[in-house]
Order: sequence, then structure tokens, then C-alpha cells
Amino acid sequence: DAGVIQSPRHEVTEMGQEVTLRCKPISGHDYLFWYRQTMMRGLELLIYFNNNVPIDDSGMPEDRFSAKMPNASFSTLKIQPSEPRDSAVYFCASRRQETQYFGPGTRLLVL
Amino acid sequence: KQEVTQIPAALSVPEGENLVLNCSFTDSAIYNLQWFRQDPGKGLTSLLLIQSSQREQTSGRLNASLDKSSGRSTLYIAASQPGDSATYLCAVLNQAGTALIFGKGTTLSVSS
Repeated sequence: DAGVIQSPRHEVTEMGQEVTLRCKPISGHDYLFWYRQTMMRGLELLIYFNNNVPIDDSGMPEDRFSAKMPNASFSTLKIQPSEPRDSAVYFCASRRQETQYFGPGTRLLVL
Repeated sequence: KQEVTQIPAALSVPEGENLVLNCSFTDSAIYNLQWFRQDPGKGLTSLLLIQSSQREQTSGRLNASLDKSSGRSTLYIAASQPGDSATYLCAVLNQAGTALIFGKGTTLSVSS
């Protein structure tokens, strides 16, 4: 298996623009997680899905953030409109039993 | 609310030294505790997983211990090598077995 795949790997955008991050989990994994990592706050859980259903989105910072999982092999995290404070590395992870497998992350810079 | 703290934030050691990284958590009602490694610009790789009923786990030169009642875990690295240089993150899985809560990590630098 190729592992968790995220795209794009790097994204530079201007404040106010819409940003869409994509994730393909490992086949057969029934949990998918979105995290954000910053120097100040470390790694924070934003939202997670179980069998494509959002279970807990309490970590989503604002209504500007939304996430979807239309099927078992694809998820998106959207920020609209983006702001400079959204600059961070966004990780997707998937899990079937107890071990989480992380993607390489998307490094987002909002100017 | 569960909080995970890692001390120290950074550590520099010469090659060959044995070292200990510390992790503490505020709520002892956990499902398990996991240690991850993160290399610069990369994702996280799982190193060790300790179930809440276990006291320790070993993998090669790595040994992780868990004292759930006191809310502490340590990661022991024996005979450190330059290739061990990375950030090590501790995370606890909540009792429901759903969400991982991470510490901010300890950045280790091993010099040759």
C-alpha cells in the first residue's frame, strides 16, 4: 500500500482565497483524522470520521473550516476564506485498529 | 480536558549516550499511549504503543514505560545514534479509543 496520500504537499495562497486539501486514506481503514500542526500549539485534532461519517468536529476552529468524506477513499478539508493565521502543516491520518498512519502533510502558507 | 506535556522540549546529546524522554498526561482514563517520531518536513511514524493495562513495550533500542496512575510515560533510547535525531511525540488515546491527544514533542539532536 502507498500509505496515506495527501495533496498538494505545499500550498501558497492569498488571504481570502479558498483552499482545499485532499487526502486518500489507506485502503481498509475505517477511521480518518485531520490534524493541524503549528509551532505554538503543536498537533491539534480538527475532525475525525468513522466509516465516512463525521464523529467529532469540535476541534474545527471556525465556520471557515469544513471537511467532507464522500467515500471511503477520499476526504477534503476546505478553508474559505483563508487567513494568515491558518498557515500551518495539515496532516491526514487513517486507522483500522489502534495504530494511526499519517500522511506527509500539506504545508499551507496564507499571505 | 486531557493535556499532554513533554519535557524537555529539546535535547542534545553525543552519540552513544543513553537518554530518556518524558511525557505526562492529566487524565489517567486512557485507552493506550503511543510514541511517534517525526522527521523534519515529514509525517509521523508510530514507534511504540502501550496498552493501558501494560507497563512497558520494547522495540530494538527503544523502551517505553507507562505509569497510568501517576500519568507518566518515558521513552528510553539506548546507545543513541545520529540517525535518531528527530522530534519525538507522545500521544494518549482517549478511553473511548477514538481520539489521540498529542504533546508538543521533544526535539532530539544526536551529534557524532
